[in-house]
Amino acid sequence: EPEVTQTPSHQVTQMGQEVILRCVPISNHLYFYWYRQILGQKVEFLVSFYNNEISEKSEIFDDQFSVERPDGSNFTLKIRSTKLEDSAMYFCASSPSPEGVYNSPLHFGNGTRLTVT
Amino acid sequence: KQEVTQIPAALSVPEGENLVLNCSFTDSAIYNLQWFRQDPGKGLTSLLLIQSSQREQTSGRLNASLDKSSGRSTLYIAASQPGDSATYLCAVRISGGYNKLIFGAGTRLAVHP
Repeated sequence: EPEVTQTPSHQVTQMGQEVILRCVPISNHLYFYWYRQILGQKVEFLVSFYNNEISEKSEIFDDQFSVERPDGSNFTLKIRSTKLEDSAMYFCASSPSPEGVYNSPLHFGNGTRLTVT
Repeated sequence: KQEVTQIPAALSVPEGENLVLNCSFTDSAIYNLQWFRQDPGKGLTSLLLIQSSQREQTSGRLNASLDKSSGRSTLYIAASQPGDSATYLCAVRISGGYNKLIFGAGTRLAVHP
């Protein structure tokens, strides 16, 4: 079964450094998402992306965050200057159509654990 | 603002028991509700998706119901097995053109032999 793949599985970075999290969505999917889960907290929506532009973003997704689909297969999340509170598990997800429309659930990757020291 | 609550936070049961996990949401204006399973160190696996117009969905030993007007959903797991041990998350997609899911904190389930 096709999968969403994320790399790396664990990233350690120093505060203030830039980090890029990478995702390869399922190949025929059109909608892409980033969610995050701070340890012990709920999964939170960050951003959705369709047709090469952001379709929605949360208040968490400030100017320090950006997303890009640099080629036909990768989808990246960049954090420009990491802060301690950015430490979390970051999940990429994709769907063939908007979440839940036409009974198409989200497919999540296994996540990248980001640790900011 | 939509809030999703799951009860209980944790559950430990012997193998073979039938289980009910509860999810409640504060705003009934939802597009759909999804149940996910999260294993340690893994991503989220979609289990069942219920559209707002539906009352329930079934997949194998899993049955999810939705009562939109009262803001509640339940996930019923029949004849639980140790392999069912995981965290179960409930998430709602709010209506009005929004394209995101609001998650509950999850129920951590342990099924022991």
